[in-house]
Amino acid sequence: DTEVTQTPKHLVMGMTNKKSLKCEQHMGHRAMYWYKQKAKKPPELMFVYSYEKLSINESVPSRFSPECPNSSLLNLHLHALQPEDSALYLCASSPTGQEQETQYFGPGTRLLVL
Amino acid sequence: LAKTTQPISMDSYEGQEVNITCSHNNIATNDYITWYQQFPSQGPRFIIQGYKTKVTNEVASLFIPADRKSSTLSLPRVSLSDTAVYYCLVGAGTGGFKTIFGAGTRLFVKA
Repeated sequence: DTEVTQTPKHLVMGMTNKKSLKCEQHMGHRAMYWYKQKAKKPPELMFVYSYEKLSINESVPSRFSPECPNSSLLNLHLHALQPEDSALYLCASSPTGQEQETQYFGPGTRLLVL
Repeated sequence: LAKTTQPISMDSYEGQEVNITCSHNNIATNDYITWYQQFPSQGPRFIIQGYKTKVTNEVASLFIPADRKSSTLSLPRVSLSDTAVYYCLVGAGTGGFKTIFGAGTRLFVKA
C-alpha cells in the first residue's frame, strides 16, 4: 500500500467552527508532513513530525494545531480560522524524514473558510 | 538552500518530447535534484531524482550537466494527461524536513 489518504476531501467551515483534517498512511513511514497550497502557488511546508514528535513548525499561527497520535496518523485541528486560510491542505509522508528522501502526498483536503 | 528557477509555463502538442530546464546555480556538493508532478486538485507525485549525468525511469529522463548548475526534465511523447505543474527541487529542498517547492512550470499539452 503506497497510498496516503486524507479526509475529508472538501470542508466548508465558519470562522467560529472547530474542525479537524485527518491523514493516514500504512507504508511504515516515520515522517509525516502538512502543507498548505493556495491556488496557482506551490505547496508551503507547515509542520513536520518525525517519529511522532513535532520537528518543525514553520511559524504557523496557533489556530492550526497538529497532532500525531501514532506513526500512521496525522491530524490538523482547525479553530477560529480566517477566510485567507482557505486552501488545499496536503499531507505527505516519507520513510524517515531525512533530506532528499521521496515524499508521498495525499490528494489533499480542499478547505473553504466563510 | 539552493534556489531554483524554472519557466513559468510551456505549451506542447501530443506526441512531442518536452524538455523543462531548471536552473540551480548555487547547488551544493551533496545536493540531489528531484522533480515532482502535480495535477489539479491532487498532491504532488515524485517523478525522478538524480545527482549527475543522466537518470531514466519509465516516466521521464533527467539530464544533469557536469557543472550541475542546471538540469533538464525530459518527457518523451507527451499526451494530454501530462498536462500538469512540474516542480524542480534541489538539496535540502528535496525532501526531509525542509522541503521547499519552487514556483513550478505549468505544462499544457494540446491535441
